[in-house]
Amino acid sequence: GDSVTQMEGPVTLSEEAFLTINCTYTATGYPSLFWYVQYPGEGLQLLLKATKADDKGSNKGFEATYRKETTSFHLEKGSVQVSDSAVYFCALDRGSTLGRLYFGRGTQLTVWP
Amino acid sequence: GAVVSQHPSWVICKSGTSVKIECRSLDFQATTMFWYRQFPKQSLMLMATSNEGSKATYEQGVEKDKFLINHASLTLSTLTVTSAHPEDSSFYICSATLAAYEQYFGPGTRLTVT
Repeated sequence: GDSVTQMEGPVTLSEEAFLTINCTYTATGYPSLFWYVQYPGEGLQLLLKATKADDKGSNKGFEATYRKETTSFHLEKGSVQVSDSAVYFCALDRGSTLGRLYFGRGTQLTVWP
Repeated sequence: GAVVSQHPSWVICKSGTSVKIECRSLDFQATTMFWYRQFPKQSLMLMATSNEGSKATYEQGVEKDKFLINHASLTLSTLTVTSAHPEDSSFYICSATLAAYEQYFGPGTRLTVT
């Protein structure tokens, strides 16, 4: 069945460090892929998405490329800030009904000044 | 941006009682909403798809008689946990669909069953 495997955390970085959070998936067909972010006390927010192979999603300095050959969608940011501290979830859309999302376990990111 | 609210944000109930959780889309209409369950330090698990004016579609392994879902209007879906037991204690999250690939999530409801 469909699954998302996400890098385990927590991840602790200093401000301006480079961030990579790995995400790989298993799915039939061609799912859409997402990164969601959850700040403390808030609901999940869409960070970026890619709907087909080789698409690159980007937002707020974060990027992720849909790699069909490696079934991956790794999240990267060149220079993290304290305000990026949050939990990050990789997810795929199962496709039969838009919005039926299958999530990874989440990665807690803490950025220190 | 679009906002989804949940009420209550936390609830404690006794074993054997029922509890209702509301999910509202505040500034848009949503024909489809989703209910998830999140265990500590684990991912969100999709429980069911809530469709306005029709029966909910439950994921495999989710007890439809325990988790009753009603989507009576385009802005409100409710999840009722019936005859709650301690193992039902969890964080319940809803989402609402605004458009293709646009999901908005509520802040979640923490349920504790004693």
